Amino acid sequence: DGGITQSPKYLFRKEGQNVTLSCEQNLNHDAMYWYRQDPGQGLRLIYYSQIVNDFQKGDIAEGYSVSREKKESFPLTVTSAQKNPTAFYLCASSIRTSEYEQYFGPGTRLTVT
Amino acid sequence: SQQGEEDPQALSIQEGENATMNCSYKTSINNLQWYRQNSGRGLVHLILIRSNEREKHSGRLRVTLDTSKKSSSLLITASRAADTASYFCATKEGGGNKLTFGTGTQLKVEL
Repeated sequence: DGGITQSPKYLFRKEGQNVTLSCEQNLNHDAMYWYRQDPGQGLRLIYYSQIVNDFQKGDIAEGYSVSREKKESFPLTVTSAQKNPTAFYLCASSIRTSEYEQYFGPGTRLTVT
Repeated sequence: SQQGEEDPQALSIQEGENATMNCSYKTSINNLQWYRQNSGRGLVHLILIRSNEREKHSGRLRVTLDTSKKSSSLLITASRAADTASYFCATKEGGGNKLTFGTGTQLKVEL
């Protein structure tokens, strides 16, 4: 059963705490992406990775960090430096770069109070 | 700033009617993609149209691309209640490695 999974579905944290969102894919895709979606808005790119051990900042990388130690995994850490972390976070993957369609996970809704 | 801007922001139609939504973008692109998002879920890819294509069909979906006007349209024919969702266009700029998403059109199909 191929796909892309994100966990947890809902996450609650206190302000000042770092939190890590999980993203795993078994599609054998090289490229992976993290997006943030705010209510009624489109997606904004946080980070992306085209290959293992390499990643690039997207449009809103400040306050976030990622790693890509394995092809299947691309975890996102929301640090305490992110001023407004409450949002819906979506992970995606594609065969290679955005020449190709992206497959999305179900998302993690993060609430920071 | 958003590369793609969808129009209208929201659309409400009756089941069986056609739904048309438009996307405008600013820079030259390599391809344009349409995605659907049901409330609180991830996005699902619908169709990809390359810059050298003018029209593409997939089932009840028809996408057009006019690179001279920097615009695309998505037509859903014979809509169903299950088509109720938000629809996003996303563009890949010529030399880039990422997609830029628009703000979306919320479609509601009523019985």
